[in-house]
Amino acid sequence: DAGITQSPRHKVTETGTPVTLRCHQTENHRYMYWYRQDPGHGLRLIHYSYGVKDTDKGEVSDGYSVSRSKTEDFLLTLESATSSQTSVYFCAAGVNYGYTFGSGTRLTVV
Amino acid sequence: KQEVTQIPAALSVPEGENLVLNCSFTDSAIYNLQWFRQDPGKGLTSLLLIQSSQREQTSGRLNASLDKSSGRSTLYIAASQPGDSATYLCAVGVQGGSEKLVFGKGMKLTVNP
Repeated sequence: DAGITQSPRHKVTETGTPVTLRCHQTENHRYMYWYRQDPGHGLRLIHYSYGVKDTDKGEVSDGYSVSRSKTEDFLLTLESATSSQTSVYFCAAGVNYGYTFGSGTRLTVV
Repeated sequence: KQEVTQIPAALSVPEGENLVLNCSFTDSAIYNLQWFRQDPGKGLTSLLLIQSSQREQTSGRLNASLDKSSGRSTLYIAASQPGDSATYLCAVGVQGGSEKLVFGKGMKLTVNP
């Protein structure tokens, strides 16, 4: 969907390195979310934001931090990547009756 | 804690069959329930949204029902086609002002020509 852009689409990184994933929306949504998707677990919420500089933890937030300095951008940072953070990361925006999802970032930590 | 379950995890059927996909959730205090479709390597596309006050929604060959009291939803796909092959996810909108969705693990559907 053109309303949500995630970058990069693919990334391979080494254990222990910092990684930042970017989500950009053009729809002016107040709420934005980061999910990870893993086989056998479905989509699990990492962090979400309910406004500029307002963020909260989801169910799998350990090892991740987020920032939202502008309405349109929501950044997810892995401070020190681990192999367990190999996953597909999805950004979403909107309210729960009208989410728009990005196409995902496939992150591999080696 | 809200939990959403989809069983089975995978289903393979011949073309033309009418299908029923099941979703169950543990807490009936939901805002809504949605069914999504996910194609390989892609993001999620919303198929149907049922508000907590509604019983069903229809779109083309798809019909979704919601029974809050029993914590169940079904997605009915009529006259399945190979193009329906995808992973189908159920998600509930949880109450509390956070606008969060809780997802099931999905069901991978394969429709064979």
